[in-house]
Amino acid sequence: GQQLNQSPQSMFIQEGEDVSMNCTSSSIFNTWLWYKQDPGEGPVLLIALYKAGELTSNGRLTAQFGITRKDSFLNISASIPSDVGIYFCAGQEGGSEKLVFGKGTKLTVNP
Amino acid sequence: DAGITQSPRHKVTETGTPVTLRCHQTENHRYMYWYRQDPGHGLRLIHYSYGVKDTDKGEVSDGYSVSRSKTEDFLLTLESATSSQTSVYFCASGRGGPGKNTEAFFGQGTRLTVV
Repeated sequence: GQQLNQSPQSMFIQEGEDVSMNCTSSSIFNTWLWYKQDPGEGPVLLIALYKAGELTSNGRLTAQFGITRKDSFLNISASIPSDVGIYFCAGQEGGSEKLVFGKGTKLTVNP
Repeated sequence: DAGITQSPRHKVTETGTPVTLRCHQTENHRYMYWYRQDPGHGLRLIHYSYGVKDTDKGEVSDGYSVSRSKTEDFLLTLESATSSQTSVYFCASGRGGPGKNTEAFFGQGTRLTVV
């Protein structure tokens, strides 16, 4: 099946720092989604991207749909302790109905 | 967020027994998905449905079957549970398919332990 490569696997940062993570695929995707998961909870949708080059913000979060349609980036500015969690990218390959996920980036924010 | 509930939330079962997990959504979403989450593997798609009685396999479908007799309900069955199926199972639902309204909304998860 389609593999999404998400990096880094984990990040340890200080409160106030900016964070960047990315996701790549071996084929062209039509949709990129970014989710956050808190412990014991289901993933929650943060941002949805549908067009190559699209840049979308949600508060301190900004995500971009790569121009090649094979990657996407998520940036978090001025991190705070409640940003702690696992961030997942997800996407749909062109013509597919399957929604596949990356392995996640675990974010730890030190106060 | 979509009104999506999973039951049970926790279950312990013995190897070789059948198990059915239930997912119920109140948003009239066409698409529904079952994932399993394991450390180091992220979320892996088991099966999905694109309409009543319309289902297809995901990347880890062996040992699992699904049924969707109504728009709001999607059942995942482990015909004969094995220890390798110990996992957290998530259901999700969404409006659209390829390239449109693809956002999927998740339930709270079911923690299944096979002993």
